[in-house]
Amino acid sequence: GNSVTQMEGPVTLSEEAFLTINCTYTATGYPSLFWYVQYPGEGLQLLLKATKADDKGSNKGFEATYRKETTSFHLEKGSVQVSDSAVYFCALSDRTSGTYKYIFGTGTRLKVLA
Amino acid sequence: DTGVSQDPRHKITKRGQNVTFRCDPISEHNRLYWYRQTLGQGPEFLTYFQNEAQLEKSRLLSDRFSAERPKGSFSTLEIQRTEQGDSAMYLCASSLARQGIWGNTIYFGEGSWLTVV
Repeated sequence: GNSVTQMEGPVTLSEEAFLTINCTYTATGYPSLFWYVQYPGEGLQLLLKATKADDKGSNKGFEATYRKETTSFHLEKGSVQVSDSAVYFCALSDRTSGTYKYIFGTGTRLKVLA
Repeated sequence: DTGVSQDPRHKITKRGQNVTFRCDPISEHNRLYWYRQTLGQGPEFLTYFQNEAQLEKSRLLSDRFSAERPKGSFSTLEIQRTEQGDSAMYLCASSLARQGIWGNTIYFGEGSWLTVV
């Protein structure tokens, strides 16, 4: 079945450091890939997405490239801020497998220190 | 858009009681999802609707759980005879599904926290 694997957290960085959060997936078809962010006490918000191989999603300085050959969708940011502290979820939707549900990873908590 | 709204935001109930959560999706969104999230975990799929039709249910959704979307707008999730293991955040999400368009974004509400004591 389809699945998403994320690196375990927490990830603790100093402000202005470079961020990478790894995400790999298993899918039977051609999934769309997403990164969602969750701030304390809130629901999930879409951060970025990519719908086909080699697409790059970007938003608010975050980027992720859909790599079919390595089945990965790693999240990166060149210079993190304290306000980026949150939990980040990688997710996929694989319509070609006959379902419209979205599958999420377990999340990676990011802490950015001033 | 007013966003996806959920009610109540917090619910504390005694074991064995029934609880019901309501979700109002973004207007005109035809697809509605329910997920469950426990501390330190990602959202787990429970069920989804296309308009008023419930198209898929997870095996996580025991017979104590029932969801409805009677007019294809708001939805309710009812848990009967609650157990302590039901304590979690119940998330609703919605999307506008269009034929031939892949990778629709789903928009989440802020969730309904359930604590069973």
